[in-house]
Amino acid sequence: GQNIDQPTEMTATEGAIVQINCTYQTSGFNGLFWYQQHAGEAPTFLSYNVLDGLEEKGRFSSFLSRSKGYSYLLLKELQMKDSASYLCAVRDRGGGGNKLTFGTGTQLKVEL
Amino acid sequence: DGGITQSPKYLFRKEGQNVTLSCEQNLNHDAMYWYRQDPGQGLRLIYYSQIVNDFQKGDIAEGYSVSREKKESFPLTVTSAQKNPTAFYLCASSMGDGANVLTFGAGSRLTVL
Repeated sequence: GQNIDQPTEMTATEGAIVQINCTYQTSGFNGLFWYQQHAGEAPTFLSYNVLDGLEEKGRFSSFLSRSKGYSYLLLKELQMKDSASYLCAVRDRGGGGNKLTFGTGTQLKVEL
Repeated sequence: DGGITQSPKYLFRKEGQNVTLSCEQNLNHDAMYWYRQDPGQGLRLIYYSQIVNDFQKGDIAEGYSVSREKKESFPLTVTSAQKNPTAFYLCASSMGDGANVLTFGAGSRLTVL
């Protein structure tokens, strides 16, 4: 099975930088995804990492270390609209190959 | 515009009744999925289908049923056997291979009275 851990809640200030961590345990790692979900809405794709290193996409960056079972999502120049839940999801090679297991999500609150 | 449409957005059901949630996509995606989301828990996979006329159980399939008669449609039936059906249900689709980025529908919130 898989175990994915991420903080439940975080608070940050508008204009600042925030890092949301995700640790995972899986027997057949095959990619890690980050999604953003506003309350009552559909999750939307933010980033994908399958190799070690940093993937940058505008204000958002995601980092992966496969040896440590660790990823983080970095949000720069925070805006109020970034207040949302951020979901870490891991894809495993086993059991059909196309399933994702999601963490519980990190609820980010951006304050003035 | 391409996307996934779920209906209804809100649904109320009495105990003992079956209910079917609709999910339609026009993205030409091969794979479709149903997830359940509860407060304080991650999305949990109910069923998924990688091709028409084939589907597999996810982690919490008990009390649910699906069909995949058409590529664009993947309805979910919540049966009376599901002991705790009140939840937010999300349908998703993907090309099925590669990065497997999921595109989600807007969700259906089911409340059992």
